Amino acid sequence: AQSVTQPDIHITVSEGASLELRCNYSYGATPYLFWYVQSPGQGLQLLLKYFSGDTLVQGIKGFEAEFKRSQSSFNLRKPSVHWSDAAEYFCAVFEAGTASKLTFGTGTRLQVTL
Amino acid sequence: DADVTQTPRNRITKTGKRIMLECSQTKGHDRMYWYRQDPGLGLRLIYYSFDVKDINKGEISDGYSVSRQAQAKFSLSLESAIPNQTALYFCATKDTVDAEAFFGQGTRLTVV
Repeated sequence: AQSVTQPDIHITVSEGASLELRCNYSYGATPYLFWYVQSPGQGLQLLLKYFSGDTLVQGIKGFEAEFKRSQSSFNLRKPSVHWSDAAEYFCAVFEAGTASKLTFGTGTRLQVTL
Repeated sequence: DADVTQTPRNRITKTGKRIMLECSQTKGHDRMYWYRQDPGLGLRLIYYSFDVKDINKGEISDGYSVSRQAQAKFSLSLESAIPNQTALYFCATKDTVDAEAFFGQGTRLTVV
């Protein structure tokens, strides 16, 4: 069965510093991978997605992620964090075919200090 | 108007009561999902539906039931609510071809 691991429960960075949030997945076939962000009291917003092709994908709000098949990873990065990026971030993998399920990691809460 | 609408947005109910959470979508997607979110556990799949005649259990379906009244509507019921069903519930939809899922704003349910 597919699974997603986000090893960091909570990360604190200073505004202007770079950010990397880790995500590892377990899935037999080529995965469809996603990063979602949830601001306090809000629903989930899609940041970016990887289906195929270029392994470095660009998303909204200056985020990017790199798919590395050899490491089963899809880490999210941002060169310079803004205070408004404080939120919870979820990595997810989509299982295609008859199951057609989206499985989420447990999330990483980002705190940004000024 | 939002593409995926959940009602109510907030609800407090008593243990043992029956409650229904509703979800409607205007995206024309066939596939609809119900998730619950708990701190530290992420989002876990309760039920999902591929069309009005196809309902499937997710990983945590015990204590829940669903109804797909139409392509656009997918309701989640708690037959007899218990306190550990206190959570944030999300409905999502997905096209059969494009794997991106679209989420509602969530329903915060508290069972006292």
